Amino acid sequence: KQEVTQIPAALSVPEGENLVLNCSFTDSAIYNLQWFRQDPGKGLTSLLLIQSSQREQTSGRLNASLDKSSGRSTLYIAASQPGDSATYLCAVTGAGSYQLTFGKGTKLSVIP
Amino acid sequence: SQTIHQWPATLVQPVGSPLSLECTVEGTSNPNLYWYRQAAGRGLQLLFYSVGIGQISSEVPQNLSASRPQDRQFILSSKKLLLSDSGFYLCAWATGLAGVNEQFFGPGTRLTVL
Repeated sequence: KQEVTQIPAALSVPEGENLVLNCSFTDSAIYNLQWFRQDPGKGLTSLLLIQSSQREQTSGRLNASLDKSSGRSTLYIAASQPGDSATYLCAVTGAGSYQLTFGKGTKLSVIP
Repeated sequence: SQTIHQWPATLVQPVGSPLSLECTVEGTSNPNLYWYRQAAGRGLQLLFYSVGIGQISSEVPQNLSASRPQDRQFILSSKKLLLSDSGFYLCAWATGLAGVNEQFFGPGTRLTVL
């Protein structure tokens, strides 16, 4: 059974700092990995999707990497802003599956 | 562009009452549809998914059921709610392309069972 772990559970950084969020998964047989953002009381917003054949994806100040063999992904946020404060969720789609398995998320607070 | 709607946004129901949550998707055809529940401290749990009209797969034995009467409509139901059914219910869609499965989520329904 696939398990997804996100460390740390919470992170507080001053505005302008670069930061890295970590995600690990136990079964490397995945189709893809997706990073989401969730604001309090809201749905999930898709940030980046990395296919299993890819090493990284970039969108603006966000860069996600994938090392499938070691079961790890990182989300790099450059020049953090208070508006980046949210919970960030990592999820993987298992090979041959339509299902996403989620981590419990990292709650990020960017202090002005 | 694609849009996903959920209603109601919030709901407070007594134990033992029925439930019907609705999700609709616009701007795409034949999507895969999903229902998730997010409970405090437990993360997101997949409840049901559907790859076509009338095709429902259940991931967790529970007090809930799902139906897909139309291509872009997904309904979550219960005949009698339990306290443990409280949570934040999220609907999601994805294209049916195998191996792609980028999922997009709706705004959610906050259900409180008293």
